[in-house]
Amino acid sequence: QITLKESGPTLVKPTQTLTLTCAFSGFSLLTSGVGVGWIRQPPGKALEWLALIYWDDDKRYSPSLKSRLTITKDTSKNQVVLTMTNMDPVDTATFYCAHMRGSGPFDYWGQGTLVTVSS
Amino acid sequence: DIQMTQSPSSVSASVGDRVTITCRASQGISSWLAWYQVKPGKAPKLLIHAAASLQSGVPSRFSGSGSGTDFTLTISSLQPEDFATYYCQQAKSFPLTFGGGTKVEI
Repeated sequence: QITLKESGPTLVKPTQTLTLTCAFSGFSLLTSGVGVGWIRQPPGKALEWLALIYWDDDKRYSPSLKSRLTITKDTSKNQVVLTMTNMDPVDTATFYCAHMRGSGPFDYWGQGTLVTVSS
Repeated sequence: DIQMTQSPSSVSASVGDRVTITCRASQGISSWLAWYQVKPGKAPKLLIHAAASLQSGVPSRFSGSGSGTDFTLTISSLQPEDFATYYCQQAKSFPLTFGGGTKVEI
């Protein structure tokens, strides 16, 4: 049974760096083809893909946010970490992590964590 | 980037209604399309992958069709638990992109 859970601060100040952790179980990021991605959803707005990391450490980023994002994995802890620098109130959103296999869809998602950016 | 355009942005429907949502890609994506259901406070749920393949465990009232640039998600008989927002997503190329969403409401 695949599960994912996001954790991190609920409130960050403008200009700060956000660090989110995705803890997962039921699969390994050492398995060929497996990936974990991050997606966000601002209140009342659409889903937006942010970043993806594959089992072989291949990393992909949204071009519009690439300069602010870093995705890493810790296979020993079954975790994926996303950092986003220079946070702004417009970055207020629910952040989700999700499992992907190959070029497939995101087939398992976490429940998400709401991050508010405010001074 | 491949832009995904969904329509309508919202639809009012009743239990038992047939609901159809469309998604158009700005360029051909073959069948690299998925549909998700999103409810507040819940994990998004994959409904359809490869444009027309029903994800395991998803009720058969959900179906997907299309290829190339035009796709549809159909709910054949709307149930109370189907009131949610639905998103399409292309998996043809990076950056991965989602449609703007369709809210299905009473």
